Amino acid sequence: DPKIIQKPKYLVAVTGSEKILICEQYLGHNAMYWYRQSAKKPLEFMFSYSYQKLMDNQTASSRFQPQSSKKNHLDLQITALKPDDSATYFCASSPQGWQNTLYFGAGTRLSVL
Amino acid sequence: QQQVRQSPQSLTVWEGETAILNCSYEDSTFDYFPWYHQFPGESPALLIAIRPVSNKKEDGRFTIFFNKREKKFSLHIADSQPGDSATYFCAASNSNYQLIWGSGTKLIIKP
Repeated sequence: DPKIIQKPKYLVAVTGSEKILICEQYLGHNAMYWYRQSAKKPLEFMFSYSYQKLMDNQTASSRFQPQSSKKNHLDLQITALKPDDSATYFCASSPQGWQNTLYFGAGTRLSVL
Repeated sequence: QQQVRQSPQSLTVWEGETAILNCSYEDSTFDYFPWYHQFPGESPALLIAIRPVSNKKEDGRFTIFFNKREKKFSLHIADSQPGDSATYFCAASNSNYQLIWGSGTKLIIKP
């Protein structure tokens, strides 16, 4: 059974719309992250959360907003979608608040038309 | 200075040969160096990692060689198999616990 669940697996959106990517982890980890992968940038760190608090934000755009309603949840809201946002978004977690051992979810592949 | 440079971008070797993937860095505060692999259509997964207290770490056919003086580290895959074909990412962790990633090496093992 997957320990990090990402929903949906595939997502198609129109330019200008808003979507929420879901992530739940059942590894008992205290830290969660969002990464993005596209042809332009192989693996790009976006956010890190520890005990539901934002620790690091490497995303320039405020259109990307992480949301942590529970300790093991870290969703990603993306507003005003652009075609350049098309990528695979990976959620990850680690036992402690540093990224020494990352466990990745299967990813959400987002296509913006 | 926070960059991790990875080369080559792609590498093809014959089955049974040793594949060598290289990374370098500039920030001397980096103290943890993992390698992740990612098979097509899957997510990255930790393969092997090293700390600067040692200059070599082995796990089966996979070995990290670490050169602190030159700020370089490499992944050697011995007796490479077609199943090793994947994209390999090196990374380095700094004192702020951020993980800085290399750009990846796409490895193809030809049978």
